[in-house]
Amino acid sequence: GAGVSQTPSNKVTEKGKYVELRCDPISGHTALYWYRQSLGQGPEFLIYFQGTGAADDSGLPNDRFFAVRPEGSVSTLKIQRTERGDSAVYLCASSPKGGELFFGEGSRLTVL
Amino acid sequence: AQSVSQHNHHVILSEAASLELGCNYSYGGTVNLFWYVQYPGQHLQLLLKYFSGDPLVKGIKGFEAEFIKSKFSFNLRKPSVQWSDTAEYFCAVSHRGSTLGRLYFGRGTQLTVWP
Repeated sequence: GAGVSQTPSNKVTEKGKYVELRCDPISGHTALYWYRQSLGQGPEFLIYFQGTGAADDSGLPNDRFFAVRPEGSVSTLKIQRTERGDSAVYLCASSPKGGELFFGEGSRLTVL
Repeated sequence: AQSVSQHNHHVILSEAASLELGCNYSYGGTVNLFWYVQYPGQHLQLLLKYFSGDPLVKGIKGFEAEFIKSKFSFNLRKPSVQWSDTAEYFCAVSHRGSTLGRLYFGRGTQLTVWP
């Protein structure tokens, strides 16, 4: 497809478990972003990749959150020891050299 | 800390009514401004953006927004709404010179248009 693809679309897990969320950006987009949208709120920035490197990870809430983009395309957001407060929709966006952001449909994470 | 305020959480209109959604931000430096829209079951899409120049910006589907620097505002308008405009609307701000694409979003306004 031509858009940003995120998997899984829904993930239910138990408190304390480890979770991975995947983002496949638009082909050729060098910039990739992760945002988190909690219920009733707007999206909040988590991390920005330019190519393979995390250019700005200042939005990650704590060290349980980590993201990688090893080949400069697909990215994985990893959450360790999940907590109920991590429940949210995790949005990925890509952009050609930091221009307009193109968002995926998100991965809805529910931590029981 | 940067904040973006959208004062209307839920707006209900009849078709053909005029729309204005408020957006105010708190950052004192130079900003880029955006409105995003999320239709039911779909992803966030860019409606319009302001970087510089004419403060009245026209976007897709007949939407426009006006940047008033003195009021730190970027209100969204449409003269005549349609049922298909039912969606959630997010105002967003980025700081010129900061991480490109790092947006600060408001909490959104749900617009419901009755046919």
